[in-house]
Amino acid sequence: DTAVSQTPKYLVTQMGNDKSIKCEQNLGHDTMYWYKQDSKKFLKIMFSYNNKELIINETVPNRFSPKSPDKAHLNLHINSLELGDSAVYFCASSQDSEPSMPPLHFGNGTRLTVT
Amino acid sequence: GQNIDQPTEMTATEGAIVQINCTYQTSGFNGLFWYQQHAGEAPTFLSYNVLDGLEEKGRFSSFLSRSKGYSYLLLKELQMKDSASYLCAVMDSNYQLIWGAGTKLIIKP
Repeated sequence: DTAVSQTPKYLVTQMGNDKSIKCEQNLGHDTMYWYKQDSKKFLKIMFSYNNKELIINETVPNRFSPKSPDKAHLNLHINSLELGDSAVYFCASSQDSEPSMPPLHFGNGTRLTVT
Repeated sequence: GQNIDQPTEMTATEGAIVQINCTYQTSGFNGLFWYQQHAGEAPTFLSYNVLDGLEEKGRFSSFLSRSKGYSYLLLKELQMKDSASYLCAVMDSNYQLIWGAGTKLIIKP
């Protein structure tokens, strides 16, 4: 199936740990994103990668680092997890970052719970 | 600052029509998107408006007025499966998507 897939779907961990969330898209898109959806349901962009170059880097803590081994993958590494990192993290992709782009295609989300 | 406003929650009856409003204040405008998000699932694309007017897609229609900074999503012949959150997002002059918090739509039999 053509899709954006991310793993794991659920991640429960303790404060201070380091974790990674993986994302892969087989849509042939040029741009991939990481979004955070908090308890108030706002979707906030964290990073986007276009052709392996970081083109958006919002003011997120440097404990968060995106890693893109190739155009089809954008993984999210989180160091020294904090309680406030608990949220749902969505990976997404689009053909390009221009306004005429086709819509974003989202993965199914990873619910991160930090205890 | 940039702002997208939508009602937090709406309730409607199966078979009826509901209109979900979205007002926005952004630095520039390069299009407005509506997404549907069922609980625990990913947002899925519904519609895209960049010019004023109404875009119709089956039971769903989306309207845009750029001069008023206003859009609405119209859902007709409501079905129970339409119970979901509906997210409004605007692309600003930097081609960044600004998202509203979403409107939770509850459909009652």
